Amino acid sequence: GAGVSQSPSNKVTEKGKDVELRCDPISGHTALYWYRQSLGQGLEFLIYFQGNSAPDKSGLPSDRFSAERTGGSVSTLTIQRTQQEDSAVYLCASCLGGLSRSPLHFGNGTRLTVT
Amino acid sequence: GDSVTQMEGPVTLSEEAFLTINCTYTATGYPSLFWYVQYPGEGLQLLLKATKADDKGSNKGFEATYRKETTSFHLEKGSVQVSDSAVYFCALSDLSPSNTGKLIFGQGTTLQVKP
Repeated sequence: GAGVSQSPSNKVTEKGKDVELRCDPISGHTALYWYRQSLGQGLEFLIYFQGNSAPDKSGLPSDRFSAERTGGSVSTLTIQRTQQEDSAVYLCASCLGGLSRSPLHFGNGTRLTVT
Repeated sequence: GDSVTQMEGPVTLSEEAFLTINCTYTATGYPSLFWYVQYPGEGLQLLLKATKADDKGSNKGFEATYRKETTSFHLEKGSVQVSDSAVYFCALSDLSPSNTGKLIFGQGTTLQVKP
């Protein structure tokens, strides 16, 4: 009965370095989302995977951001050449099939600090 | 594009006070509306939802009615408790077939209930 698991929980990196954030969704959940939560801001949509369909990448803020989902399960969000404005909490969420049938289940997030 | 606007916080109330957190939206299509809650140290979780106009979502004493004429989905509770202290997020999703199903969130409203 594990929930959505994200790792690491905290990441401090130097400006210009690449980082990878991992998300393990709930087993069997076909939909997976990445959001970003900056201090004092709402949740900013980044990318959405649904089954074998092409991902909705419309929220990725720049080409330094990319994400993949292997085997329809684990997802990795990669940020290249990190900038200070990338500092935020990165949230992953999954759901069973679609929002009309089940709620989003969120992980506790990865807090990224770029120094 | 679609968007959600919430009243700015923080909202500070005494225990047993009446709560209203305003939420308005702009959307094309036929959105479903949600309230998510983030308790201190925990991940976001669904509080309630409404999928069509005039529907009322309710859970844990909280209610919100989907008002299409005013494009609103205000969250209310008749008597708040200290344990309701959290950040509340209003969100929408266009569940029509042409939409990928992502949730658009408001900026969140912090509620602090004092004993």
